[in-house]
Amino acid sequence: DSGVTQTPKHLITATGQRVTLRCSPRSGDLSVYWYQQSLDQGLQFLIQYYNGEERAKGNILERFSAQQFPDLHSELNLSSLELGDSALYFCASSVSPYRDTQYFGPGTRLTVL
Amino acid sequence: DAKTTQPPSMDCAEGRAANLPCNHSTISGNEYVYWYRQIHSQGPQYIIHGLKNNETNEMASLIITEDRKSSTLILPHATLRDTAVYYCIVRVAFMNRDDKIIFGKGTRLHILP
Repeated sequence: DSGVTQTPKHLITATGQRVTLRCSPRSGDLSVYWYQQSLDQGLQFLIQYYNGEERAKGNILERFSAQQFPDLHSELNLSSLELGDSALYFCASSVSPYRDTQYFGPGTRLTVL
Repeated sequence: DAKTTQPPSMDCAEGRAANLPCNHSTISGNEYVYWYRQIHSQGPQYIIHGLKNNETNEMASLIITEDRKSSTLILPHATLRDTAVYYCIVRVAFMNRDDKIIFGKGTRLHILP
């Protein structure tokens, strides 16, 4: 158990819909990362937040957005969902930018029908 | 494109040392080498990281060549539970907006009984 929690574990929805994935980092960690893992793409870095501020941006689509709240939990919002958005979504957290070993959560499996 | 190159798969007999290579010939002076592994579809698990010196922890050893263009992860006594996909990544410790984290396809390690 890494100490990072993600909800929900599974999510099934339809094309065109919007969903929100939630991540709670380890106690004391200030930085949160989001990743997408689909069968044909491997693990793709989406975005990083540090202490509420966006830090680095990867291959995140414009239909996706994220934020980190004052209590440091983070949410990833996916809208106008397409079949190709079906994937595992992982959140990771780290202590700080200077101790940036990432600890991953168990993931949310999103299925878009 | 991944900054690292790893063999797609490797076999190792149970109880033997598993040596997983990684090439990172374009690594920058401020980039660290990190190793993670992913068992089935679980969240990736941090193993070890280093900058230029060899490192050892309770899970593994990391050997980095003097020119830092390649490294080897060593699992000293592999068990069946070490069967996983192993990812080698290079990244700066403190990410700026333009930095990315790129996971390649990793090495699928099979531990044989």
